[in-house]
Amino acid sequence: GAVVSQHPSWVICKSGTSVKIECRSLDFQATTMFWYRQFPKQSLMLMATSNEGSKATYEQGVEKDKFLINHASLTLSTLTVTSAHPEDSSFYICSASRGEGPDTQYFGPGTRLTVL
Amino acid sequence: GQNIDQPTEMTATEGAIVQINCTYQTSGFNGLFWYQQHAGEAPTFLSYNVLDGLEEKGRFSSFLSRSKGYSYLLLKELQMKDSASYLCAGTDSNYQLIWGAGTKLIIKP
Repeated sequence: GAVVSQHPSWVICKSGTSVKIECRSLDFQATTMFWYRQFPKQSLMLMATSNEGSKATYEQGVEKDKFLINHASLTLSTLTVTSAHPEDSSFYICSASRGEGPDTQYFGPGTRLTVL
Repeated sequence: GQNIDQPTEMTATEGAIVQINCTYQTSGFNGLFWYQQHAGEAPTFLSYNVLDGLEEKGRFSSFLSRSKGYSYLLLKELQMKDSASYLCAGTDSNYQLIWGAGTKLIIKP
């Protein structure tokens, strides 16, 4: 149990376009979903935390107008990178938890974004 | 401030035992996680400790000392597939994960 999927697994886009990444919990209801970014050889950087039906909480330094997060249901959250630029190229990973206390986060397989 | 420290890289031999240490400072404490991350892949959950002591799970064990702010991940009978980064993450009083930078483990034949 506790499987999280992410789509697409990789995407290449032109500078200035928008990209949407989906994160789904397949066999459990995810009260809380997390979006991370990871640059090569670096640790995970939390971008935002979202709870179903409410606005996401963004970490300091993360532009909420650039990284739009929607957590519309207990099994789906989306991250839209708007007006992408080459510096947005990174590995984006979502995770989901049942939201009960220090609950284990289950990670999706990640999405590798390359902006040309 | 909140901080997680772990070695950047370790090397071990196939079949041997390796211990990866992690020290933490968090605002409040609600447990410590270990995750494994292979290159180019997302992290996978290994263990969660909230009470002092050793928890064994097959070839992997995790230890916690709350009084010392210290944990370690012990890997026995190392296999080549254990080559990965191992991430230590502490949970603060708000249940937010504070991530370490990860320890890259290199297994040599």
